[in-house]
Parts: sequence; structure tokens; C-alpha cells
Amino acid sequence: AQSVTQLDSQVPVFEEAPVELRCNYSSSVSVYLFWYVQYPNQGLQLLLKYLSGSTLVKGINGFEAEFNKSQTSFHLRKPSVHISDTAEYFCAVSHIQGAQKLVFGQGTRLTINP
Amino acid sequence: DAGVTQSPTHLIKTRGQHVTLRCSPISGHKSVSWYQQVLGQGPQFIFQYYEKEERGRGNFPDRFSARQFPNYSSELNVNALLLGDSALYLCASSLVLRRPGGRSPLHFGNGTRLTVT
Repeated sequence: AQSVTQLDSQVPVFEEAPVELRCNYSSSVSVYLFWYVQYPNQGLQLLLKYLSGSTLVKGINGFEAEFNKSQTSFHLRKPSVHISDTAEYFCAVSHIQGAQKLVFGQGTRLTINP
Repeated sequence: DAGVTQSPTHLIKTRGQHVTLRCSPISGHKSVSWYQQVLGQGPQFIFQYYEKEERGRGNFPDRFSARQFPNYSSELNVNALLLGDSALYLCASSLVLRRPGGRSPLHFGNGTRLTVT
């Protein structure tokens, strides 16, 4: 079984400051890793994914994440945030085989202050 | 192109009733998955359907069922509603990649907000 832990439930940041949202996972088998963003009253939008290859993954809206297998982490970063980045962010894992089932973390609410 | 569409957007039911939620995938996507998102939590996997067959099931009671139609749209049915079934129900569609190591990402709809009173 897999599990995902997002270490911060809320992260307040000032506009134009850098941000890191932390994600650790647990799995006995190889997994794919994802970050999704959820704006109020909307579904989930894919920010980026790690399937294989380079451990540094670049996504949309200036976000990037680094896969660290030894630390079982997949932290999300952005060098300079904007008000429009205010949203809920979810880290998720999926087995590389079998049903396409995503296991999500509890989410991190990112609040950008002017 | 239209994204994943779900209907209705909001629904209020009373305990013991039955509900049907509907989902139309992105054109060309043959896999549909359902997730339940309780307020303040991450989404939880309920079902995946592909080619009208159940390909995966999460830890949900038999009151939850689903089906997929020949046009790849899907319905989620919940019987004997409980207060705890109040949640945002998300549908996601994806391509099915047959090559090794292939995984098409899930594309989510905006969900159906179900309130059980």
C-alpha cells in the first residue's frame, strides 16, 4: 500500500517570495508522482508529474519539483509566487502498473499575502 | 476541446435516498475514474472503468457502484445515502497507454457537490 504525507497543512507566503511545499511518500513498489492544484470550487489541475528520467521536473505556472528516491520525497517549489497561486495543492502517487489509482495527500493550502 | 464534464454541479439529498452522478470524459479518453473528496481532505479513489469494465476499486462499501457506457461516459450511483457521503465527487478521464512505462495523467472535472441532510 502507498501513502502520502504533506508536511504542512497551511503555508502563508508573501507575494514574490519563494515557496516550498513538502511531500513525502511511502510505497513498497515503484511509483509515479504528481502534484495537482485545486482552485476554489474547481476540480484538480495537473501541475507536473514524475514518471522516470531526470529527477527535476518542471511544470506549469513556473512550478518545479524534485524527486528524491533515498528520502522518498517530492517537494514542490516556485522561486517567486503570485497572488494567483493561492490555492490548495495536492501531492499524489500511483503504482506504475495496475489500476490507475492515485493516492493523495491531505493537501497544503498556499496563501499568498500582498 | 471540452474538458471532463460532470452533472449536476450541486445536489441535495436526504438520508436513505439514492443518487446518480454523471460524467463525460474528454474526447478520445477511454478510462474514467471516480474520486470522493470530503471537505478538508485529499480525494479518495472509488473506481476506475475502462472498456466498460471495472479495473480498480477503492475501499468503499457496496452502496457505491458505477458503470461505463459504450460512448465512455460514466455514472456513479450511491444507495442508502448517509450523512458521511456528503462530499465533492470528482470524475477524471485519461488515455490508456499500452506501451511499458506509459501513464497518461488524469484530467479532472469540476465535480459534483453532494450534500446529504
